[in-house]
Amino acid sequence: SQKIEQNSEALNIQEGKTATLTCNYTNYSPAYLQWYRQDPGRGPVFLLLIRENEKEKRKERLKVTFDTTLKQSLFHITASQPADSATYLCALRGNDMRFGAGTRLTVKP
Amino acid sequence: EADIYQTPRYLVIGTGKKITLECSQTMGHDKMYWYQQDPGMELHLIHYSYGVNSTEKGDLSSESTVSRIRTEHFPLTLESARPSHTSQYLCASSEWGAASLRYGYTFGSGTRLTVV
Repeated sequence: SQKIEQNSEALNIQEGKTATLTCNYTNYSPAYLQWYRQDPGRGPVFLLLIRENEKEKRKERLKVTFDTTLKQSLFHITASQPADSATYLCALRGNDMRFGAGTRLTVKP
Repeated sequence: EADIYQTPRYLVIGTGKKITLECSQTMGHDKMYWYQQDPGMELHLIHYSYGVNSTEKGDLSSESTVSRIRTEHFPLTLESARPSHTSQYLCASSEWGAASLRYGYTFGSGTRLTVV
């Protein structure tokens, strides 16, 4: 069956460091992958998308990679700030859009 | 401002009651979705719609129904609430095709439902 796994439930890092979150998938051949941010008590907010023929995508302090051979996407936040603390979800389109359980990131001052 | 609204934000209701969760969007999106989210778990698709008079079941229909009489409105109804329905319900909308890739899904803030 199709499965999306995000590396861990929680990640704690120090302010200024780079946060790296992992999204692994099985039994998908996605044409693209999306990343969302979700704050407590709110719905997810779309951040960016990467297509299968793109190795890397950047948006301000965010960088996403997509390796269709490893079936993995990495999501990086450089120069992290406490305001980056949130849960980050990856999403893939199979027959419909499926979302991972997310990784809760805490950036400590 | 274009947005998607869900009401109520919180609801506590007794077993067996009928409830309707409201969702409205002002963006003119044709596609709308209902997801269920439990802590630490994937979002599960309950229902979706391609446009007016279109409704489809997702992989977790959970004894609920939806209607799409107007583009902007996509309510979710539970005919008889049970404690197993306790969860966070998220409504979302998107454009078709390439636009949905560029802008992703737009989500509401959710309804936190507790059935006692």
